[in-house]
Amino acid sequence: DGGITQSPKYLFRKEGQNVTLSCEQNLNHDAMYWYRQDPGQGLRLIYYSQIVNDFQKGDIAEGYSVSREKKESFPLTVTSAQKNPTAFYLCASSGREVNQPQHFGDGTRLSIL
Amino acid sequence: KQEVTQIPAALSVPEGENLVLNCSFTDSAIYNLQWFRQDPGKGLTSLLLIQSSQREQTSGRLNASLDKSSGRSTLYIAASQPGDSATYLCAVRLNAGKSTFGDGTTLTVKP
Repeated sequence: DGGITQSPKYLFRKEGQNVTLSCEQNLNHDAMYWYRQDPGQGLRLIYYSQIVNDFQKGDIAEGYSVSREKKESFPLTVTSAQKNPTAFYLCASSGREVNQPQHFGDGTRLSIL
Repeated sequence: KQEVTQIPAALSVPEGENLVLNCSFTDSAIYNLQWFRQDPGKGLTSLLLIQSSQREQTSGRLNASLDKSSGRSTLYIAASQPGDSATYLCAVRLNAGKSTFGDGTTLTVKP
């Protein structure tokens, strides 16, 4: 089955620690996205990538970093500079054309220890 | 800056009722609008995608309309069922990279 796999499902971060969230897709999509969702709110864009080896900052990129070395993979690192990392993180992908729908993974819930 | 509003924030209806969820946006320069469903603790499931040149899309008991000039979209759910209980989000596509999401409407369908 084609889809987007996010891991782990739950993640805990200690003070001063960097953590990396995994996102893998087998939909052959060019574009991939990372969103943050806080309770009772919509999604806010962290980073997006439209092609391998290229990515752009979204609306709330501070304290986060990404890489896009392979078409299938778009990992997100939450650095120690992100002071309020507790949230639900969602990865999405879509075809390169702007008229293509976005498809989402099941999310990773990050909490601070 | 594009803003997307969904009203009401929560809605409770008896089973079998037809209902309408609303989504409004401030900038009509959009490429498309997508409706999603989100179950608690889960990711988003795409329901319908309406391109800017289209007026509506239908899938089963769901019908979504788009009026770009007035900045509005509606999601109509016919003959609601308890399994329809979820949060429904709309998102407008601004360009190849960016979409703006509403905060969602949480729907409860009571048996």
